[in-house]
Amino acid sequence: DVKVTQSSRYLVKRTGEKVFLECVQDMDHENMFWYRQDPGLGLRLIYFSYDVKMKEKGDIPEGYSVSREKKERFSLILESASTNQTSMYLCASSLPNRGMYQPQHFGDGTRLSIL
Amino acid sequence: SQQGEEDPQALSIQEGENATMNCSYKTSINNLQWYRQNSGRGLVHLILIRSNEREKHSGRLRVTLDTSKKSSSLLITASRAADTASYFCATWIKAAGNKLTFGGGTRVLVKP
Repeated sequence: DVKVTQSSRYLVKRTGEKVFLECVQDMDHENMFWYRQDPGLGLRLIYFSYDVKMKEKGDIPEGYSVSREKKERFSLILESASTNQTSMYLCASSLPNRGMYQPQHFGDGTRLSIL
Repeated sequence: SQQGEEDPQALSIQEGENATMNCSYKTSINNLQWYRQNSGRGLVHLILIRSNEREKHSGRLRVTLDTSKKSSSLLITASRAADTASYFCATWIKAAGNKLTFGGGTRVLVKP
């Protein structure tokens, strides 16, 4: 079974702090994704990466950056945390969609509160 | 705006009853999927239906797709308390590469 592990289940940080959310997958997947989930809005894509050191902006990248130095690890960085970034953050991974869709496998999420 | 919109937002039923939820979307798609999310957990992929399919079954799950109406439905038959979860539809468009677009979800409560 694919295992996607997010380093923290709950995190509390202060406004202005630099925050790192870590995600590791064990299935040698090329694709990795970061979403945020807010009530009634579903999941919105922040960034994704289709290879080491490669990244693409999703629908809501403002205020975030990412790092993928190794294939199995994808980090989400809040450069200067703000209260409107309080949310549930979900990481996912998948094989590449080379003309044929590959399902995404999700971690259990990090619930981040910015005070 | 969201590609997938789910209806209803919440659903409460008794164990043994069927649960039906709907998803509408705006643009042509290549496939549509349904995911389940238990409280405090990540999403689990349930079933995928391609744009050239009209109906698909998996165990107690039945999914339909009507591309002319840009809508899909998920039916859970003979529901169990363990089916209590949020259910999300997600659409994939080949031209969008690796991106999925999720709806807002339906919260289902199955009472024992």
